[in-house]
Amino acid sequence: QKEVEQNSGPLSVPEGAIASLNCTYSDRGSQSFFWYRQYSGKSPELIMFIYSNGDKEDGRFTAQLNKASQYVSLLIRDSQPSDSATYLCAVRAGGYQKVTFGIGTKLQVIP
Amino acid sequence: DGGITQSPKYLFRKEGQNVTLSCEQNLNHDAMYWYRQDPGQGLRLIYYSQIVNDFQKGDIAEGYSVSREKKESFPLTVTSAQKNPTAFYLCASGRANTGELFFGEGSRLTVL
Repeated sequence: QKEVEQNSGPLSVPEGAIASLNCTYSDRGSQSFFWYRQYSGKSPELIMFIYSNGDKEDGRFTAQLNKASQYVSLLIRDSQPSDSATYLCAVRAGGYQKVTFGIGTKLQVIP
Repeated sequence: DGGITQSPKYLFRKEGQNVTLSCEQNLNHDAMYWYRQDPGQGLRLIYYSQIVNDFQKGDIAEGYSVSREKKESFPLTVTSAQKNPTAFYLCASGRANTGELFFGEGSRLTVL
């Protein structure tokens, strides 16, 4: 079982719709959860991080964490063509600095 | 400007040669990381370091070596023992308290 699992996609949504990206993790001791966006040929950039169960909102982005289900999600409201990228879920184990990434989900926003 | 600088951006190497990728940060972060990314793949952890003079193997450390003599620097050597070295290499530094990572622009290594 992979430590961090994501569907590779592509996930296609029309412009203006909500994009929902999902991630599961295997280590119950994980404490920090991150979403990164990576455009083709570029390095990843941090979008959001979340540590506590529940929702965390930042502009059009909402991160959701459910530690009991070992599940993290990212919602993108009012999706724009510029949101088309690969979204990487990352998890940091508690007490250590190791940060493990999922394979990433490719999002395509159709104009 | 604060940030992470990786060099070179592109590198070509003949089989059997070692090559060293540079990573420098001026963000005053304690932790530094090296990841490898292959086409269509996520990031796989090679090595990471929490403090100076200390580092740990990641998931794919074989054929690689690192050093951490200064807080600002974390160079990665790709040795001839690495069987498939052609890849995109990403260096990152991180905040110890929050775990957020900040990436350099990457180094693209091609073995001819």
